Amino acid sequence: EADIYQTPRYLVIGTGKKITLECSQTMGHDKMYWYQQDPGMELHLIHYSYGVNSTEKGDLSSESTVSRIRTEHFPLTLESARPSHTSQYLCASSDWGFNSPLHFGNGTRLTVT
Amino acid sequence: DQQVKQNSPSLSVQEGRISILNCDYTNSMFDYFLWYKKYPAEGPTFLISISSIKDKNEDGRFTVFLNKSAKHLSLHIVPSQPGDSAVYFCAASAGIQGAQKLVFGQGTRLTINP
Repeated sequence: EADIYQTPRYLVIGTGKKITLECSQTMGHDKMYWYQQDPGMELHLIHYSYGVNSTEKGDLSSESTVSRIRTEHFPLTLESARPSHTSQYLCASSDWGFNSPLHFGNGTRLTVT
Repeated sequence: DQQVKQNSPSLSVQEGRISILNCDYTNSMFDYFLWYKKYPAEGPTFLISISSIKDKNEDGRFTVFLNKSAKHLSLHIVPSQPGDSAVYFCAASAGIQGAQKLVFGQGTRLTINP
């Protein structure tokens, strides 16, 4: 049973639209992450947060932005979607333990036409 | 430059036999390694991990081996079961980031045949 929820699961949208991918977790984790994955490829970290009002960019440059106003909520926004943004976006969370593994949501598969 | 590499995109194994998935890394600063398992339409789930101070970690049917000199790790599944059919990702991290700022490989699709 998932403790981290992502909506929508699938999204097909036209170029230029603004979109927000939602991510919520019920585990009380302070740390949250967004990864991007193209089919058959590795996951790339695009954003992370260590707690409320904390956001950092990951290793892969992304035109998306994130916010962390509440501990449980970590939405990702694209102001103007482009076909190059077509990908799967995976949200994850973890607690503060040094070796605490990431818990992933089921992802949002985004297609920009 | 890909720092974590899984050179086998796919692997097919008979049920009951051993599955061995391999992973190579290039960054000598990596000191913590994890394996994640992913079913279709689901997010990855944590399977097993190993710190660089060890060369083996075992959890039930799953064992991870680490060869630091070769910058190589492997995941052994014994015996393999149909439910093990999934994509397996190797991941690594360095220093104080622990298990969390991870660098992933491309994944290996494991198919267990009855």
